[in-house]
Formats: sequence, C-alpha cells, structure tokens
Amino acid sequence: GAVVSQHPSWVICKSGTSVKIECRSLDFQATTMFWYRQFPKQSLMLMATSNEGSKATYEQGVEKDKFLINHASLTLSTLTVTSAHPEDSSFYICSARAHSNTGELFFGEGSRLTVL
Amino acid sequence: GENVEQHPSTLSVQEGDSAVIKCTYSDSASNYFPWYKQELGKRPQLIIDIRSNVGEKKDQRIAVTLNKTAKHFSLHITETQPEDSAVYFCAASKGGNKLTFGTGTQLKVEL
Repeated sequence: GAVVSQHPSWVICKSGTSVKIECRSLDFQATTMFWYRQFPKQSLMLMATSNEGSKATYEQGVEKDKFLINHASLTLSTLTVTSAHPEDSSFYICSARAHSNTGELFFGEGSRLTVL
Repeated sequence: GENVEQHPSTLSVQEGDSAVIKCTYSDSASNYFPWYKQELGKRPQLIIDIRSNVGEKKDQRIAVTLNKTAKHFSLHITETQPEDSAVYFCAASKGGNKLTFGTGTQLKVEL
C-alpha cells in the first residue's frame, strides 16, 4: 500500500509556543490530505482537509488561526499548533488517499503532542 | 453531515469465539465503508472495506456486511485470537470525500 510518513512522532513543548507537524506522502502524490485529532480512548475527529495549493477546509469548531495548515506541494502538508495550551495535548494523525476515487485512506504514524 | 454510531464500545470474547461490531450511518449518499484496527499508540490500519454496490465481503476470518436500506454495516471476526485485541473503528464516506469515524470498539480476546 501507499506510505504516509509523519514527523515528529512525539513532541513536548511549553505553553504558548508553536509546534509544527509534517505529513508526507512518500510514494504517491496527494492533492488532498486530512488531519485528525484523537484524544485518549476516543475516536478520530477530523480537524481539516488540506488541499494542495489552496486554503484548507476546517471542520466546525476547529480554529483555523490556531491550527495552521499548509499544503504547498503534492507530497507535503504541515499542521502548526500555535500558542499551544495543555488542552491541545493529543494524538494528531494525518492521512491521504493515493487515488482520488478509491476511498482508501493511508495514515501517518501519528504525532503525540504534550503541552506542559 | 455524516454521523456514524458504533456498538458496543467494549467487547470481551473468549479465544476462538466470534466477535461482531455494528455501525449505523446517517447519510444515504455514503458509499464507502472501511474498518480500521488500531493498537495502542499506533496508526489505524485498514482491515477490510466495502462499497455500496456490494452486500458482503470476506477476507479469511474477517467479514463485513452492509445493509443500505437500513444504513448499517457490521464487522464479523471469527475464530478470534489474542492478537485480534485492539480498538476497531468503522467509518463512512462518499467517494473520495472525508471519512467520518465511529466511536470505536475495544475488543479484548481472552485466553
């Protein structure tokens, strides 16, 4: 299957700082990537849809100014958590489709963010 | 938007028994229904999926059934093994659009 790589796998930061998470499609081009957040023992909640060359589409309740998404190339999307707070601590996972019509999503390894 | 409900939230079975997890969805236009297995701290892994033009699909010990009229689909795992223990998520989407996940089922296979 297609490979999606995410970096870093875990990060600890202080409150008020910003953290950037990268999501790369290694062996395919992804015009669309999806960013999910997962709190402990909960489901994956879609935060936003990242579109190459255009603005991301955010889900209701997700602050676009706090969670900055950039999709500058067909293989890279980044999520920046700005002015992080302890309540932003979570598991962030990106995903992408290798083929626009097949539906199957390939997930990155996930990034565990802990805000102190 | 799409809403996916999943039951049960936890399921404990004896090794060798079968396990069934059920999901319902709200958007009749959804046509793609994958099931993911997620181990603690790991990424979700696709284990099986089904499209709306098919009623049932099987892959060795795993099968999925879909009832479009009732808008529900189920995962069936037969001859369960300890390594099947994990959290399972159902999901639904319309073609290449965003995937909406169910709330998850913690499956525990006991020896």
